[in-house]
Amino acid sequence: AQSVTQPDIHITVSEGASLELRCNYSYGATPYLFWYVQSPGQGLQLLLKYFSGDTLVQGIKGFEAEFKRSQSSFNLRKPSVHWSDAAEYFCAVGVSGGSYIPTFGRGTSLIVHP
Amino acid sequence: NAGVTQTPKFRVLKTGQSMTLLCAQDMNHEYMYWYRQDPGMGLRLIHYSVGEGTTAKGEVPDGYNVSRLKKQNFLLGLESAAPSQTSVYFCASSYGGSPTDTQYFGPGTRLTVL
Repeated sequence: AQSVTQPDIHITVSEGASLELRCNYSYGATPYLFWYVQSPGQGLQLLLKYFSGDTLVQGIKGFEAEFKRSQSSFNLRKPSVHWSDAAEYFCAVGVSGGSYIPTFGRGTSLIVHP
Repeated sequence: NAGVTQTPKFRVLKTGQSMTLLCAQDMNHEYMYWYRQDPGMGLRLIHYSVGEGTTAKGEVPDGYNVSRLKKQNFLLGLESAAPSQTSVYFCASSYGGSPTDTQYFGPGTRLTVL
């Protein structure tokens, strides 16, 4: 079965600084990979997803993520963080075949200092 | 378009009481899902449905029942609530079961069982 690990429970950055949130997955073949964001009191919103092709994926709100097969990673990045980016971020992995259901990581809480 | 809505937003139950959470979507989606979110645990799938009249168990189905009598609604029932079911419950829907089908999430229901 597939699994996903987000090593960082909390990340603190200053506004305007760059951001990288880590995500590692475990799956034998090429997985489907997702990043979601959850603002306080809200449901999850899809930021970006990777299925195949170009390993650098662009998403909404200025986020991007890079798939690195050799490291089994799909890290999320943003060059300059805004205070409104403070939220919980979830990485998810899915596999093909049957009824597709993604498996979610435990989440990383992003704190943005002014 | 309201998207995915959940009723109620908050609820407090006593141990042994029953209740039903309602999820409604107006996007004509086939697939619907119920997740629970606990601190440090990410999202865990309780039950899901691949179409009207169908339901299937997810990762943590014990203590819950579901029904999908109408395509637009997905009900989650707790027959005899336990403190371990204190959680935030999220409903989601997607057009189909392919990884290319984005999941859309509701705002969540915060349930406390005393």
